[in-house]
Amino acid sequence: DSGVTQTPKHLITATGQRVTLRCSPRSGDLSVYWYQQSLDQGLQFLIQYYNGEERAKGNILERFSAQQFPDLHSELNLSSLELGDSALYFCASSAGANEQFFGPGTRLTVL
Amino acid sequence: EDQVTQSPEALRLQEGESSSLNCSYTVSGLRGLFWYRQDPGKGPEFLFTLYSAGEEKEKERLKATLTKKESFLHITAPKPEDSATYLCAVQAEGGSEKLVFGKGMKLTVNP
Repeated sequence: DSGVTQTPKHLITATGQRVTLRCSPRSGDLSVYWYQQSLDQGLQFLIQYYNGEERAKGNILERFSAQQFPDLHSELNLSSLELGDSALYFCASSAGANEQFFGPGTRLTVL
Repeated sequence: EDQVTQSPEALRLQEGESSSLNCSYTVSGLRGLFWYRQDPGKGPEFLFTLYSAGEEKEKERLKATLTKKESFLHITAPKPEDSATYLCAVQAEGGSEKLVFGKGMKLTVNP
C-alpha cells in the first residue's frame, strides 16, 4: 500500500459526459501528479500541483482540468468525454523532487 | 525531448533463469532514473532511484545499475512472483518534476 488513495476505482460513462476523479496524497506530501495510462501510449504525465498551485503541465487536453485543495487532496475533471479518453488514470504524490508513489488508479470506460 | 526506450518489450524466463532488462534514455540533464513494478490493474510500485552513473541499488533478487545512457535491471534467480511489468522513467533537471516513462517490459517467470 503506497498510502495514496484514489476514488472511484471504476467509472463507466457515456460520450459527452463529465466526470471527476479524486486523489488523496500520502500524509505530508505536497506534490500531486496525474498520469494517464493507455495500452498504446503507456504512462503519460498530465499535470502537477504543489501545495495548491499548478507547477507543471504535460499533454493535458483542454477538456481536462485539475485542482488541489487546501487539505492537499486533488481532483481531475474530465469533460466532453470521448471514446479515446478510456484509460487508467493514476495519481502520484511525492515529498519534493524525489520518488513518486502511485495510487491504485481509476479505470475510466467511455461508451 | 526526453525519451525512454525499454527492451525487450516482453520476456519469458524459467524460474531460476537470470536475465537483464535494458532501459535507454535521452534527457537534457538527468535528475534521477526510476524503476517501478506494475501488476495488472494496479498502480506502479516504486523499486529504485538512481542518480548518477556508476550507482547500483539492490533489493532481493533485483539489482539496478546506471550508466550515462542506460540503466539495467538485473533479475537473479527469478521466481514466478516476479512476473510483472517493469517500468523505467527519467526525471530531468529543471522546473518540472514529471516522470517520462518507457512503455514497460512485461516479464513472465514460469515455474
